Amino acid sequence: QVQLVESGGGVVQPGGSLRLSCAASGFTFSSYGMHWVRQAPGKGLEWVAFIRYDGSNKYYADSVKGRFTISRDNSKNTLYLQMNSLRAEDTAVYYCAKALRDYGDYGVSDYWGQGTLVTVSS
Amino acid sequence: EIVLTQSPATLSLSPGERATLSCRASQSVSSYLAWYQQKPGQAPRLLIYDASNRATGIPARFSGSGSGTDFTLTISSLEPEDFAVYYCQQRSNWPNTFGQGTKLEIK
Repeated sequence: QVQLVESGGGVVQPGGSLRLSCAASGFTFSSYGMHWVRQAPGKGLEWVAFIRYDGSNKYYADSVKGRFTISRDNSKNTLYLQMNSLRAEDTAVYYCAKALRDYGDYGVSDYWGQGTLVTVSS
Repeated sequence: EIVLTQSPATLSLSPGERATLSCRASQSVSSYLAWYQQKPGQAPRLLIYDASNRATGIPARFSGSGSGTDFTLTISSLEPEDFAVYYCQQRSNWPNTFGQGTKLEIK
């Protein structure tokens, strides 16, 4: 069965950096695009970033462009989100999610991890 | 960026009733709209993709319709487990965007 397990969350000061990881299993990771989606406490869902199955194409929300970098290591079945210049408004649960369709740039996600909490506070 | 507006913000209904949730896009997204359900403390669950296609394992009481800018998620007869928050999402343009959500609560 598909499993996505996020890690790397925690408390960080404003202006700091953090790298999130998402370990994937139960499907051919190298064939699917992957997303990061976040949810601030008590708020709705916000799409953050997408990476194509082979890493050749990436998209970002305007709110994180230039500060966050999505990447993947298909040999390790792992997705990453490098977050720099963190702000209080980046505080959220961060979910990784698998694209519904293989290959291409597909915006719908059929499997989600349980999320990892990032808190940006001094 | 395409803005999705969901209505109503909160919908109060009883089990067995029919629920109709709306999602309106600021510009056409063709049929590239999905619906998700989220319960407290849980990750979102995909219900509908490309406006009207039920995801694997989703009960037939959930249906989606619409195209262009106006979309509807219908739950034909509410079960106790259907009370949750529902989000629409467009994949027509990057960045992908979500609506702000509709909370479906027990009346």
